[in-house]
Amino acid sequence: KNEVEQSPQNLTAQEGEFITINCSYSVGISALHWLQQHPGGGIVSLFMLSSGKKKHGRLIATINIQEKHSSLHITASHPRDSAVYICAVSELRGSNYKLTFGKGTLLTVNP
Amino acid sequence: NAGVTQTPKFRILKIGQSMTLQCTQDMNHNYMYWYRQDPGMGLKLIYYSVGAGITDKGEVPNGYNVSRSTTEDFPLRLELAAPSQTSVYFCASSNRRRSYEQYFGPGTRLTVT
Repeated sequence: KNEVEQSPQNLTAQEGEFITINCSYSVGISALHWLQQHPGGGIVSLFMLSSGKKKHGRLIATINIQEKHSSLHITASHPRDSAVYICAVSELRGSNYKLTFGKGTLLTVNP
Repeated sequence: NAGVTQTPKFRILKIGQSMTLQCTQDMNHNYMYWYRQDPGMGLKLIYYSVGAGITDKGEVPNGYNVSRSTTEDFPLRLELAAPSQTSVYFCASSNRRRSYEQYFGPGTRLTVT
């Protein structure tokens, strides 16, 4: 079973700062997902990637398959970015429709 | 499209009571999932289904049951509720055409006292 570790667990930033959240996993995967959960809210998928880098607005996700590591970056952070960010991975073979989740990183961006 | 809908949003149960959490998706996804989310823990898979009529256990299935009689609906049944089942429950769906990207419902907050 894959072990998914996220760091840091909690992160507080000032508005405008550059944010990095890290995710590492133990076993080869077919894809890595970054999800966002607002307080008391539902969960939305931000990115799904299996190699390289993806960008959407101020969010950038990168993955290094050899090092089994991914990062989520937020440029010019804003208080509305405050949320829990969750990393999840799907298996390389067989049940690649199932995800294993990290515990999440709570991001608070202060004005 | 409404996406994935769940009812109820909140529920308080007494120990030993039973209830069904409803989940419906209108995206014609084959794959559906039930998760629970406890404070400080990652989402844990309770049950999943790869299509109508097919269900299987996830990591934490004890105390729960599911059925999948249609593509759209995937209800989760709690029999003899226990305080350990106090949690937030999320339903999700996916399909192969979108590389199994999962779409989540809004969640059900359940308290068992």
